[in-house]
Amino acid sequence: KQEVTQIPAALSVPEGENLVLNCSFTDSAIYNLQWFRQDPGKGLTSLLLIQSSQREQTSGRLNASLDKSSGRSTLYIAASQPGDSATYLCASSPGATNKLIFGTGTLLAVQP
Amino acid sequence: NAGVTQTPKFQVLKTGQSMTLQCAQDMNHNSMYWYRQDPGMGLRLIYYSASEGTTDKGEVPNGYNVSRLNKREFSLRLESAAPSQTSVYFCASSFPTGDTGELFFGEGSRLTVL
Repeated sequence: KQEVTQIPAALSVPEGENLVLNCSFTDSAIYNLQWFRQDPGKGLTSLLLIQSSQREQTSGRLNASLDKSSGRSTLYIAASQPGDSATYLCASSPGATNKLIFGTGTLLAVQP
Repeated sequence: NAGVTQTPKFQVLKTGQSMTLQCAQDMNHNSMYWYRQDPGMGLRLIYYSASEGTTDKGEVPNGYNVSRLNKREFSLRLESAAPSQTSVYFCASSFPTGDTGELFFGEGSRLTVL
């Protein structure tokens, strides 16, 4: 059974710092891996989707990488801003389905 | 653009009562999902519908039923609510797989069972 783990559970950084959020998964036979952002009391917003055949995806200040062999993905946020404060979740889809298995998230606080 | 719309946003039930959570999407997506989110547990898939007329169990289907009424709508029913079903419920939709497998979520329905 696929398990997704995110470390650390919480992270606080000063504004302007570059940071990396980590995600690991136990089954490397994934279809895709997705990163989401969740603001308090809100739904999830998709940030990046990496297909299993891809190594990374970029959107603005965000870059996500995927290493299936080691069962890891990272989300890199450049020049962090207070508006980046949120919970970041990763999710992977085992096999040829889009039934995502989620990690428990990393709560990020960017201090002004 | 409305995206994924869930109703109601908040609901309080007594143990044993029934209710239906409604979800509708206007993005012409084939697949729809119901997740629940509990503190420390992350999001867990309850039911999944790959396309109109099909449904499939997820990780935690017990105590729930679903109906894929048409391509736009996917409802989740609690027949006899229990306190363990107190949670935030999220509906999501996507194209089935491939480059467009990105999930779009609703704002959530917060359910309390007393």
